[in-house]
Amino acid sequence: AQTVTQSQPEMSVQEAETVTLSCTYDTSESDYYLFWYKQPPSRQMILVIRQEAYKQQNATENRFSVNFQKAAKSFSLKISDSQLGDAAMYFCAYRSEGGSEKLVFGKGTKLTVNP
Amino acid sequence: EPEVTQTPSHQVTQMGQEVILRCVPISNHLYFYWYRQILGQKVEFLVSFYNNEISEKSEIFDDQFSVERPDGSNFTLKIRSTKLEDSAMYFCASRQGGQPQHFGDGTRLSIL
Repeated sequence: AQTVTQSQPEMSVQEAETVTLSCTYDTSESDYYLFWYKQPPSRQMILVIRQEAYKQQNATENRFSVNFQKAAKSFSLKISDSQLGDAAMYFCAYRSEGGSEKLVFGKGTKLTVNP
Repeated sequence: EPEVTQTPSHQVTQMGQEVILRCVPISNHLYFYWYRQILGQKVEFLVSFYNNEISEKSEIFDDQFSVERPDGSNFTLKIRSTKLEDSAMYFCASRQGGQPQHFGDGTRLSIL
């Protein structure tokens, strides 16, 4: 079974600075997807960014980018120019290719943005 | 932008009672999911549903749980005899083929 590990329960960053959230995963599969979801205090799970395992190029979405290291099974999220609205729980998630395509989540990292 | 809608936002129920959590997935989505998040813990997969049947369920999804798509728009999760440990946030999600899952705002279930 696949597992996702987020080793940082909490992180903090100064507004306008850059922060990196860590995620590692364990799988024997070669084709899969990785995601970062954001959960603000309003509770809704919002998709931040996704990465297909077959793509070598790291995904980028505005101020959010990932560092995907397939051999190391590492998938970190970098937030540039942090804003107060970025404060939230961030969950790393894994999805297999095929089957029900359920998401396997890590425990999350609580990000605080300091003004 | 289309959204997944969940009702109610908060449900308080006595232990042993039945509860039904409701979800309206995005209209052209074909795959549906329920997840659970106990306070302070990670989001856990409960069940996936496709083509009017369960495609996968977790160990958590025991005989007290059931899902249904009664009318082509709603997707419900029923817990027959609630226990204290069922207290959690329950998230519904839906997706099109090959696309990421879209989540609802969740229902906070409190068992007394």
